[in-house]
Amino acid sequence: DAGVTQSPTHLIKTRGQHVTLRCSPISGHKSVSWYQQVLGQGPQFIFQYYEKEERGRGNFPDRFSARQFPNYSSELNVNALLLGDSALYLCASSLGAYNEQFFGPGTRLTVL
Amino acid sequence: AQSVTQLGSHVSVSEGALVLLRCNYSSSVPPYLFWYVQYPNQGLQLLLKYTSAATLVKGINGFEAEFKKSETSFHLTKPSAHMSDAAEYFCAVSEFSGGYNKLIFGAGTRLAVHP
Repeated sequence: DAGVTQSPTHLIKTRGQHVTLRCSPISGHKSVSWYQQVLGQGPQFIFQYYEKEERGRGNFPDRFSARQFPNYSSELNVNALLLGDSALYLCASSLGAYNEQFFGPGTRLTVL
Repeated sequence: AQSVTQLGSHVSVSEGALVLLRCNYSSSVPPYLFWYVQYPNQGLQLLLKYTSAATLVKGINGFEAEFKKSETSFHLTKPSAHMSDAAEYFCAVSEFSGGYNKLIFGAGTRLAVHP
């Protein structure tokens, strides 16, 4: 069975640009969560989506946005990139909003 | 708000020695607790979880953890370290609020295993 997939694996952007990260959940899972992991720290919660609606949001600025599509895949968008946005972005899927979360391999974003 | 503290950002053990990674949590309600492992340039893999059943939880790769409410701890152990155990380990607690569930992670402990 395919696990959570994320694309791209790596990308490099410059300050001020915007970026879109993509996540495909495990088949049958209807909830997707996004986490940011800065080097040397534990992951920090950004968003959770369930049935295409935002259910929760962490302490991140409005430059961060996300959406979930009818097939339950998700995109994370970050505008006006800052150097501090450099991190590993992890996507996790779960059956529902309260179920166990399964993580993808992450997308490594470098902002120069 | 709930929180997780991992004592020791780096732990080094010899191959075959006991592994002990410490985790303390803060929660106003009975917690759901997790240990994840992260190998270099990879995502998070679930090692084990506590969801208010047995207090001694067995996970994959020979790891286990014991939930101690009186000490608000959930330490991870493995009797005999293997070179392949070298990785970063994260303790996490589930926070349920307002119709969603988020994981709150500790800062992580990097485990080194030397011959």
